[in-house]
Amino acid sequence: EPEVTQTPSHQVTQMGQEVILRCVPISNHLYFYWYRQILGQKVEFLVSFYNNEISEKSEIFDDQFSVERPDGSNFTLKIRSTKLEDSAMYFCASSEPFSNEQFFGPGTRLTVL
Amino acid sequence: AQSVTQLDSHVSVSEGTPVLLRCNYSSSYSPSLFWYVQHPNKGLQLLLKYTSAATLVKGINGFEAEFKKSETSFHLTKPSAHMSDAAEYFCVVLDSSYKLIFGSGTRLLVRP
Repeated sequence: EPEVTQTPSHQVTQMGQEVILRCVPISNHLYFYWYRQILGQKVEFLVSFYNNEISEKSEIFDDQFSVERPDGSNFTLKIRSTKLEDSAMYFCASSEPFSNEQFFGPGTRLTVL
Repeated sequence: AQSVTQLDSHVSVSEGTPVLLRCNYSSSYSPSLFWYVQHPNKGLQLLLKYTSAATLVKGINGFEAEFKKSETSFHLTKPSAHMSDAAEYFCVVLDSSYKLIFGSGTRLLVRP
């Protein structure tokens, strides 16, 4: 069964460093999403992406964040200069066009020291 | 704006007894509602979804949920809890721009 994959599973970085979180969505999906979950809190929407551009972004998704689909398979989230408060589990999701079902990856746990 | 409220942050049941996880929603139109489960250190798995078809929705692992418009509720139930059901459960609504809005989660503890 096709699934969304994410790498790495755990990333530890120093404050101020750049990180890139990688996702491989399901191959025939065209909508891509990033969500995050700070420890002990609810899952929050960050950004949605379609047709090589951002469809919608939340208030959390400031200029420190960017997303990219560098090739036909990967979807990346870049945090340019990490802060302590960026420590969270980051989930990638994908869906078919105009589908109400999103498929989630296993997540990347980002720890900023 | 769409939102969901999970009424219990923790629910504890004995193995073999029924499970009830409560969720109320707020939506200006007929919503698409979901329940996701997250086992420790795992990703989010879809349990079931409601998309304006049958009001009683059956999901995986014996879970089901009933959409009640009059009560704006979408409670998750299971007749008999199993130890493997211990996890965090999220009630989720899809908003008009196709992003998911999550509830705060209910942690289910199953006692032997």
